[in-house]
Amino acid sequence: GAVVSQHPSRVICKSGTSVKIECRSLDFQATTMFWYRQFPKQSLMLMATSNEGSKATYEQGVEKDKFLINHASLTLSTLTVTSAHPEDSSFYICSVRTGSSYNSPLHFGNGTRLTVT
Amino acid sequence: GESVGLHLPTLSVQEGDNSIINCAYSNSASDYFIWYKQESGKGPQFIIDIRSNMDKRQGQRVTVLLNKTVKHLSLQIAATQPGDSAVYFCAETGGYQKVTFGTGTKLQVIP
Repeated sequence: GAVVSQHPSRVICKSGTSVKIECRSLDFQATTMFWYRQFPKQSLMLMATSNEGSKATYEQGVEKDKFLINHASLTLSTLTVTSAHPEDSSFYICSVRTGSSYNSPLHFGNGTRLTVT
Repeated sequence: GESVGLHLPTLSVQEGDNSIINCAYSNSASDYFIWYKQESGKGPQFIIDIRSNMDKRQGQRVTVLLNKTVKHLSLQIAATQPGDSAVYFCAETGGYQKVTFGTGTKLQVIP
């Protein structure tokens, strides 16, 4: 069964508005979740590591004030794209690692297709 | 910087034949590798993984080979089926949380 649930699957918003994407870990308490971004026909790029109860760790070049991450519980992390612009249109995917060690695989949600008009 | 890359962007295979998807990595500190399958509009799906203390691991119809000497990873799919059509990514990590993905190979299965 699914390990990670992501919502919404698709969202269209107007330029300048904010969009919140939810990522839920099902039947598993995730102290850490990972947010990726994927442009068409390209690979996944890690945006940030979401840490339960503390600040997220952002990758170089990712604006923390634009991509707000909140990980308030062990089963929920949210990514808010603030003041969205057309260049933010992309496929956003969250993931969790169900094992305790780094050498265990990430499990991904089914992604959120964001279109900014 | 460190990167994980693939040799072939697109691979076309006849149904029933075996597929081989290749991946080169450059981070010598990487010691855990994963193959993912991504179908259109969906998130990546875990296929198989391998640790650096192994050079081969088999799953159901899939085999991953690791050559640490030349930093090369491959995914072999036996008796390729139409349902195997997808984009395949290799990914690596090494003693830290971050998982880095390769550029991806699109596998097209010809019926």
